[in-house]
Amino acid sequence: EAGVAQSPRYKIIEKRQSVAFWCNPISGHATLYWYQQILGQGPKLLIQFQNNGVVDDSQLPKDRFSAERLKGVDSTLKIQPAKLEDSAVYLCASSLDGAVSTGELFFGEGSRLTVL
Amino acid sequence: GNSVTQMEGPVTLSEEAFLTINCTYTATGYPSLFWYVQYPGEGLQLLLKATKADDKGSNKGFEATYRKETTSFHLEKGSVQVSDSAVYFCALHPRSNDYKLSFGAGTTVTVRA
Repeated sequence: EAGVAQSPRYKIIEKRQSVAFWCNPISGHATLYWYQQILGQGPKLLIQFQNNGVVDDSQLPKDRFSAERLKGVDSTLKIQPAKLEDSAVYLCASSLDGAVSTGELFFGEGSRLTVL
Repeated sequence: GNSVTQMEGPVTLSEEAFLTINCTYTATGYPSLFWYVQYPGEGLQLLLKATKADDKGSNKGFEATYRKETTSFHLEKGSVQVSDSAVYFCALHPRSNDYKLSFGAGTTVTVRA
């Protein structure tokens, strides 16, 4: 079974530039998550999709971050404009659950962003 | 709110040593508890879980027991190997309408041959 795919693995940009990350979840997984993992900290949920609808985006900095999941499959997370503090690993995860999550997530390898 | 506090690292051990990583939580109700592991260059993966008090999760020689009275879920392994070198994350899921999985800060474990 193919895992969660993410790209690019690494990205270096200047502050105020834009960047986009792509995620393809495990086939059949209804729920997709984007997490931000800053060095030395645990992952923090940015946004959660159930099929192509947003379940929770309360911790997404909406002035600069946006995410979409068209057709309820793959997803894109965009940052525009980037700030230095956005340097982190962006993790995509998916789960098989429906409306009530059991907390068992399958993670991709992450996309490491460095903002200079 | 829900939160997880885990032992700070890094932890460095010799092969065959005993490993304990402490994890305590704060939550309303009866959450599910998890340990996730991140091996070098890989994504996080579920190591073990427990869904109710006194449950013991186990996998790959690791164990953790859900202790409601002490709000803890400490991870243990009796004899570590070099291949256990990784970052370990304790996590909590409230099993309510709040869908968030809350992670601890992670503990880096290095096992030397």
